[in-house]
Amino acid sequence: AQKVTQAQTEISVVEKEDVTLDCVYETRDTTYYLFWYKQPPSGELVFLIRRNSFDEQNEISGRYSWNFQKSTSSFNFTITASQVVDSAVYFCALSGETSYDKVIFGPGTSLSVIP
Amino acid sequence: EPEVTQTPSHQVTQMGQEVILRCVPISNHLYFYWYRQILGQKVEFLVSFYNNEISEKSEIFDDQFSVERPDGSNFTLKIRSTKLEDSAMYFCASSGGLAGLNPYEQYFGPGTRLTVT
Repeated sequence: AQKVTQAQTEISVVEKEDVTLDCVYETRDTTYYLFWYKQPPSGELVFLIRRNSFDEQNEISGRYSWNFQKSTSSFNFTITASQVVDSAVYFCALSGETSYDKVIFGPGTSLSVIP
Repeated sequence: EPEVTQTPSHQVTQMGQEVILRCVPISNHLYFYWYRQILGQKVEFLVSFYNNEISEKSEIFDDQFSVERPDGSNFTLKIRSTKLEDSAMYFCASSGGLAGLNPYEQYFGPGTRLTVT
């Protein structure tokens, strides 16, 4: 069965601090896709990144970076120099090898960035 | 950039009433989905739809729910007799694009907030 765990329910940081959101997944598929979505207070889901299981290179996009470690089934997300606008719920998610499979979401981590 | 749209943004209904949530997926996408998010909880898969039929559904998607693609553009979710516990945000998504769109990504709509009173 596929499962995504985000052990941190809520995190609070002071602006400009770095913060890492943890994600651990379970799947029996050899090919799969991992995602991060941001859900601001307005409620929409904002796509941040997709990673396929064969690509273990870490990725950096501006203040955001992702660390994919297949050996530990983790796909962690780091925000550098956090800003108040980063306050949101962040979901890690997983989908199966067909790439048209449903997306399985983790429970989310609520991030509050305090000015 | 192409996007999935959903209407209405917020729907209030009384328990026992039927509701239809509407979605316009991205043109030329082939796979369509509905997800549900109860307030404060995670996003949960309801159903996927391909080639005019359900390809997969979750245990949440019981006989009260149905989906339809009545024309070439809309994709609807009907809840036959709403219950209080159906109150949630409902997200539509589509995937399986042709050239120019990432075929592996599900594009999510902005959601419809359903409140059952």
